[in-house]
Amino acid sequence: NAGVMQNPRHLVRRRGQEARLRCSPMKGHSHVYWYRQLPEEGLKFMVYLQKENIIDESGMPKERFSAEFPKEGPSILRIQQVVRGDSAAYFCASSATSSYNEQFFGPGTRLTVL
Amino acid sequence: KNQVEQSPQSLIILEGKNCTLQCNYTVSPFSNLRWYKQDTGRGPVSLTIMTFSENTKSNGRYTATLDADTKQSSLHITASQLSDSASYICVVRDQAGTALIFGKGTTLSVSS
Repeated sequence: NAGVMQNPRHLVRRRGQEARLRCSPMKGHSHVYWYRQLPEEGLKFMVYLQKENIIDESGMPKERFSAEFPKEGPSILRIQQVVRGDSAAYFCASSATSSYNEQFFGPGTRLTVL
Repeated sequence: KNQVEQSPQSLIILEGKNCTLQCNYTVSPFSNLRWYKQDTGRGPVSLTIMTFSENTKSNGRYTATLDADTKQSSLHITASQLSDSASYICVVRDQAGTALIFGKGTTLSVSS
């Protein structure tokens, strides 16, 4: 009964490169949420997805960031042309049905941009 | 603006002692309030979740209280253990959105 899985756990990129963060939700969960945690800050909501659909992307930066949750495979958070300010911990959470239900968090991916 | 403020920012206590963490929020209308524990380098883990009609909820040595009128919540930890050392995060969900609003957390250090 594996929990939410994220990989990689640590990712180092140089400025201008692309970062791809993966999230496999808990078995049976079809709702995925991405959060960003900057140093010394609380988690901030980025995007909420169901299979093949983006439900709420109100927290996503308008440029360079995108997310998908395909019918098969993990959810992907993609950051193009990374900048130093993108350095943060990115957490994925999943829930069984709507966001009203309990969200279970993964261990996070720590992105460092050099 | 919906906000969640936590205090203190950090706390150091001796093993076996009790402590209380505070959370004030301005989120309105309010749906539910959660307390999470986040160990260093890990994702948050839920401790309690309360709706506006609940005043208190316990989970082992953790007891959360909620005053929806004053928009305050507290998390009381009894007989602290070294493994309680972590960040404790207060999270509020409003009725309108799908997003959770996180506080910055209180970092608790339990020493022997």
